[in-house]
Amino acid sequence: DAGVIQSPRHEVTEMGQEVTLRCKPISGHDYLFWYRQTMMRGLELLIYFNNNVPIDDSGMPEDRFSAKMPNASFSTLKIQPSEPRDSAVYFCASSLAGKGNQPQHFGDGTRLSIL
Amino acid sequence: GIQVEQSPPDLILQEGANSTLRCNFSDSVNNLQWFHQNPWGQLINLFYIPSGTKQNGRLSATTVATERYSLLYISSSQTTDSGVYFCAVERGYGGATNKLIFGTGTLLAVQP
Repeated sequence: DAGVIQSPRHEVTEMGQEVTLRCKPISGHDYLFWYRQTMMRGLELLIYFNNNVPIDDSGMPEDRFSAKMPNASFSTLKIQPSEPRDSAVYFCASSLAGKGNQPQHFGDGTRLSIL
Repeated sequence: GIQVEQSPPDLILQEGANSTLRCNFSDSVNNLQWFHQNPWGQLINLFYIPSGTKQNGRLSATTVATERYSLLYISSSQTTDSGVYFCAVERGYGGATNKLIFGTGTLLAVQP
């Protein structure tokens, strides 16, 4: 079975440019999570969706960040305009709702470098 | 918010050795997961273990929720076990949130 698929794997761009990260969750999973990993702050939850609806975006750092989930098989995280401090690895994860919480499965991440 | 502390922060083992990693958390939890981040950066879910004991091959985990800690055991370590091991928890009150709080990890290096 295919896991969580993220694209691109690597992105290098200049500050001020718009960046769009993409994620395809595991088929049938109804929770989708976006995380950011940096050396200074570790792994942080940015936002998560349930059945395509954003549930908690309190981790989104500022208005330059936005996330959408137009359907059950696709989500985007957008940064506009990008800044050097946004450089990090961005992970998408998905899980299946059930009785209690379920394991989260992570994609391979997008390594973002803003110059 | 809930605090998650992992120990030791780093560990060097010879291949074949056993090890125990610890995760302490500051409040009640209803969700605890262990992850391995390999040297290529991939995060692999090892265990979903809010309580009790589970085993998967050379790995096993035990969570004692009442005492607010979890242990990850690695037996007969191999070089492929190298990487960072994360513990992540979700607070255990106020309804399910699915928000995992990650610890700072244990960096493990297994030498041949």
